[in-house]
Amino acid sequence: QSALTQSASVSGSPGQSVTISCTGTDNDIGSYSLVSWYQQYPGRAPKLIIYEVYKRPSGVSDRFSGSKSVNTASLTISGVQTEDEADYYCCSYAGNSLRVFGGGTKLTVL
Amino acid sequence: QLQLQESGPGLVKPSETLSLTCTVSGGSISSPIHYWAWIRQPPGKGLEWIGSIFYSGSTFYSPSLKSRVTISVDTSKSHVSLKLTSVTAADTAIYYCARGGYGGSSGPPSHWGQGTLVTVSS
Repeated sequence: QSALTQSASVSGSPGQSVTISCTGTDNDIGSYSLVSWYQQYPGRAPKLIIYEVYKRPSGVSDRFSGSKSVNTASLTISGVQTEDEADYYCCSYAGNSLRVFGGGTKLTVL
Repeated sequence: QLQLQESGPGLVKPSETLSLTCTVSGGSISSPIHYWAWIRQPPGKGLEWIGSIFYSGSTFYSPSLKSRVTISVDTSKSHVSLKLTSVTAADTAIYYCARGGYGGSSGPPSHWGQGTLVTVSS
């Protein structure tokens, strides 16, 4: 059960769209449509922003969207704002009631 | 409103047992559609799934920690507990308690505690 692979950092200017990728295997992302994404600010607990690949919890901005293709999941932030600057983690169900996280991607808004 | 609060020693000696408690308030600890999870995050690093416990009492642990981890629930105290034996410096992390099952019993954790930092050092 290895961690999912995310790029360490991504950046964008306000108003641009930014996409964060998360690569797994046939044993996690490739087998289940149970990918979630979390946003984490420094010193704070993670916040769920996407579940079941593309669904948004109540109260989460529709600027956040998710997708999946084979073993790779993606989080797209449309119209990036300064308040979006945070760490983002993907998470996938991996069978046997286990989950695996990605290493995290730091979003910098230039 | 559901609240989770982790508590326990902030410093544990190498080879000893790390014991943490998560106090649940504002919601039922006995919900059949949710599960309770422990997740940790070494300082400056990513999140790591430790394990979970379901309403039935069934537990599921990360293979990398399975031999050292025990998660339990005390419904009378609304506590979810974590025990990790034979700790080393590599177990130094912020430990989070979370409730899972958002959108369904297989759903991800949506409610998290604030986390508690545990340092392993002599």
